[in-house]
Amino acid sequence: QSALTQPASVSGSPGQSITISCTGTSSDVAGYNFVSWYQQHPGKAPKLMIYDVKTRPSGVSNRFSGSKSGDTASLNISGLQAEDEAHYFCSSFTSSSIVVFGGGTKLTVL
Amino acid sequence: QLQLQESGPGLVKPSETLSLTCTVSGGSISSSTYYWGWVRQPPGKGLEWIGSMYFTEGIYYNPSLKSRVTISEDTSKNQFSLKLNSVTAADTAVYYCARSRGPPRWDFGLWGRGTLVTVSS
Repeated sequence: QSALTQPASVSGSPGQSITISCTGTSSDVAGYNFVSWYQQHPGKAPKLMIYDVKTRPSGVSNRFSGSKSGDTASLNISGLQAEDEAHYFCSSFTSSSIVVFGGGTKLTVL
Repeated sequence: QLQLQESGPGLVKPSETLSLTCTVSGGSISSSTYYWGWVRQPPGKGLEWIGSMYFTEGIYYNPSLKSRVTISEDTSKNQFSLKLNSVTAADTAVYYCARSRGPPRWDFGLWGRGTLVTVSS
């Protein structure tokens, strides 16, 4: 099972919106609505930000939103803040009933 | 609230077995409906799921690691463990224990702090 494809890096200025993509195949992203997104600050454990493509866990800011079209899932962050600078990882359920992660995207807030 | 804490040797020799334990506090793993698993992250790289277990429904492993991995539980100690045998330098990583809902969701909502394991002679 290959890792999902994410851009290595994205950047944006405070207050702007950015989108991080996560591309898979018909055996994972395209086939199921079970994509999750994680935020990871340096030296810290990942934090679940989105599950089931677009659902935010309790306590996660509504500046974070998720969507999916075909084989690509997306994480949108609006009103960028300095604290949003982190790595972001997507994951998806697969046809083998297991989970696969994306390679990760580094978000830089300029 | 529920917390997870990894423990185990920080240095393992090549060809030996990596053994880690995750201690769960603030709740019982045996009464939970969640899956308990392991995710690793090589230095500067992405996340790799190793495997997860749920007591009555079984265990799922990453196919790329399945031949070398064993995940098991000790309900009397409220712990679950990871064993990875025949390790090489490529197994050097921060190892996280994590709780998730099982398939198809696989959303890891609770994580330990992680522990760095280095494979070196």
